[in-house]
Amino acid sequence: AQSVTQLDSQVPVFEEAPVELRCNYSSSVSVYLFWYVQYPNQGLQLLLKYLSGSTLVKGINGFEAEFNKSQTSFHLRKPSVHISDTAEYFCALTLNTGNQFYFGTGTSLTVIP
Amino acid sequence: NAGVTQTPKFQVLKTGQSMTLQCAQDMNHNSMYWYRQDPGMGLRLIYYSASEGTTDKGEVPNGYNVSRLNKREFSLRLESAAPSQTSVYFCASRLAGGSSYEQYFGPGTRLTVT
Repeated sequence: AQSVTQLDSQVPVFEEAPVELRCNYSSSVSVYLFWYVQYPNQGLQLLLKYLSGSTLVKGINGFEAEFNKSQTSFHLRKPSVHISDTAEYFCALTLNTGNQFYFGTGTSLTVIP
Repeated sequence: NAGVTQTPKFQVLKTGQSMTLQCAQDMNHNSMYWYRQDPGMGLRLIYYSASEGTTDKGEVPNGYNVSRLNKREFSLRLESAAPSQTSVYFCASRLAGGSSYEQYFGPGTRLTVT
């Protein structure tokens, strides 16, 4: 069975500070990993994805994530956050059959001026 | 391109009433999904349709039915609404068999059952 765990439900951070949102996964087979962002009262938008190749992937809005197979993690980072980054962030995985996605419970990032 | 569209955006139902949530995509995707989002629980899959003509249960199918009307449209029906079905419902689609794998989401329907 597959699962995704987001270790922090809420992360407050000051504007221009760095941030890391943690994601761990469980799967007995190879997975593809994603980070989505949800702004208030909107749907989910793709931030970045890891399918294969380089373990450091870069996404939109200055975010990046690193795939670590030995630690089964896919943490999201940004070196300097803006007020506009305040949102809910979801980590997700799918298998190469791709029919189902498995989502974490989300991390609410609040950027404090 | 509109992407994934959902109607209605908001709905209030009384317990026992029925309704259908509509979803359509114009990206020629073959797979479509219905999720519900509840505080602290992330997104939970209700039903999905891997391709036109097929539907499968997800994690929380009880109390719901779906219809894949054609390649573009995938509807979710609540036959007898219950307060436990108060939630935000998202439709998503993806191009199965392609190399991108990601899902594209609609804006959501906020449903309240009183």
